[in-house]
Amino acid sequence: GDSVTQMEGPVTLSEEAFLTINCTYTATGYPSLFWYVQYPGEGLQLLLKATKADDKGSNKGFEATYRKETTSFHLEKGSVQVSDSAVYFCALKNAGGTSYGKLTFGQGTILTVHP
Amino acid sequence: EPEVTQTPSHQVTQMGQEVILRCVPISNHLYFYWYRQILGQKVEFLVSFYNNEISEKSEIFDDQFSVERPDGSNFTLKIRSTKLEDSAMYFCASSPTGFEKLFFGSGTQLSVL
Repeated sequence: GDSVTQMEGPVTLSEEAFLTINCTYTATGYPSLFWYVQYPGEGLQLLLKATKADDKGSNKGFEATYRKETTSFHLEKGSVQVSDSAVYFCALKNAGGTSYGKLTFGQGTILTVHP
Repeated sequence: EPEVTQTPSHQVTQMGQEVILRCVPISNHLYFYWYRQILGQKVEFLVSFYNNEISEKSEIFDDQFSVERPDGSNFTLKIRSTKLEDSAMYFCASSPTGFEKLFFGSGTQLSVL
């Protein structure tokens, strides 16, 4: 079945540091890939997405590129801020069947950014 | 921005008791979901609901679980006889069409003692 694996956390960085959170996936067919973010006390929010190979999703300075050859969708940001402290979830949605909106998530990576 | 609302934020119950988790999805959305996350584990899909019926459910969603949209605004998850292993954060989500992004609530932390 489908699965998503994220790098183990927590990740602790200083402000303005470079961020990478690794995500790899296993899926049949051609899934869509997502990063969701959960700020303290809030629900998961879509951060960015990519729907086909070589697509780059971007939002709020974060980027991730859909790499079919390595089955990866790593999240990057060039300069993190304290306000980026949150839990980041990688997820996929398989295009097949009736799985409307059914997402397969990774376990989440806690990011803490210090001033 | 409209949001999905879940109540309560934290619920404590005794093993074997019935519990109902409540959600108010965004008003013009048509697809509704429940997910859960056991501490330290992945967020897992439980069930999707459309047009007043379950459209898909996972292996986790056994006969102890049920969902309902009783009045056109609330969307509930009922666990009939809770087990210790049901302790988790339960997330409700909704989507306009099922093909767009999901909007999640902030979750209900269920603790079964």
